[in-house]
Formats: sequence, C-alpha cells, structure tokens
Amino acid sequence: ETGVTQTPRHLVMGMTNKKSLKCEQHLGHNAMYWYKQSAKKPLELMFVYNFKEQTENNSVPSRFSPECPNSSHLFLHLHTLQPEDSALYLCASSQGDATDTQYFGPGTRLTVL
Amino acid sequence: GESVGLHLPTLSVQEGDNSIINCAYSNSASDYFIWYKQESGKGPQFIIDIRSNMDKRQGQRVTVLLNKTVKHLSLQIAATQPGDSAVYFCAENIPGNQFYFGTGTSLTVIP
Repeated sequence: ETGVTQTPRHLVMGMTNKKSLKCEQHLGHNAMYWYKQSAKKPLELMFVYNFKEQTENNSVPSRFSPECPNSSHLFLHLHTLQPEDSALYLCASSQGDATDTQYFGPGTRLTVL
Repeated sequence: GESVGLHLPTLSVQEGDNSIINCAYSNSASDYFIWYKQESGKGPQFIIDIRSNMDKRQGQRVTVLLNKTVKHLSLQIAATQPGDSAVYFCAENIPGNQFYFGTGTSLTVIP
C-alpha cells in the first residue's frame, strides 16, 4: 500500500446527484492532488493543494469542487456531472511541491449515467 | 515506444525474458523522471526515478536509462514475471512545473 487511501472505490451517479470523493494520506506529506484518468489518455492534473492552499486549478469545470481541510485530507465534491466525466479519479500526495515524487491512491472509478 | 504524447499500446514478453519499455519526452528542460506501474483496478505505483544528472539507475530487477541527447527514457525489467503484467508509464518534470505523464504501455507476460 502507498499510504494514500480513497473512498469510495466505485461510484455510480446520475447527472443530477451530488456526491463527494474522499482522499486521505498517511505519509506526512504537505501537497495533495486530484487527477482524472480516462482510457488511453495521460493523467490529467485537476487540482493541487500545498499546505491546504489551492495552488493549481487546471481549468476544471465548476461542477468539480475541491476541498482540503488539512494536509492529510482532500475531497472532491461532484454535482451535475456529465457522462463524459466518467473516469478513474486519482488522488496523490507528495512531500513538498509539484516537483516532488507523487504517491497515488487506488482511485475512485466514477460512472455518470 | 511510449512517449509523453505517443504510445506503444502493448508489449508481450515470455516469462523469464527481459522487458524494455520506452518513453520519448519532448522538453529538454525536464530534469526529473519517474516510471510508474499501474495494475488493473489499482492506482499508479512508483517504481523508480532518475534525475537528469544521471544516465542510469538500478533498482531491484529494474533499470532506468536516460538519454538526454535524444530525449529518451527506458525501463528495463529483468527476468519478467507474471506479476509484472501491468500498464507502465513515464512522467517528466520541468523545474517549477507539474509532472506530465505518458499514456502508458501495457505489458503482458506470457507464462
């Protein structure tokens, strides 16, 4: 195990639902990330938090809303998603900033109906 | 081979043989590289990394080679085992910037 946990592992939601993804890291890291992984595409960075402050938002639609209450926890709040948002959502953490080695959680497989 | 942009989707090797997975990167300013392994249903797992001041680094059964002249990175797996079957992708980092990931190469080990 990498020390990064994510829940739930699988999520099916309708386009009008509101749900949240949770990530927790037990590595004492200061930076956390959300990535989207779609089939046969490179990982897409969505959000970066460093010491609980958001330092990166890669032009992500507002239907995705991150929250980082402390350096160990990261949430991704979802509402009114589209079917094309179906993907594997990965959380990662690193010791320092985005140039440090990142360690990933197992991901949440999201399906939007 | 794989690149941060293009990829060779699949590679099949016989159990016990050596595997070589390639990655071409585009930015000559990249100074840090990581290879990740992603098994089905799991998140990417760190395998080995290398900085641009090195051209070779060895781990347990894995070796990463870096050729900065042609912007090429490779991962060599010795004595490939069924448990090595996974998608492997490289990541490059430009100083002060985020990581950029390749699309991955799917390695299948034939028993």
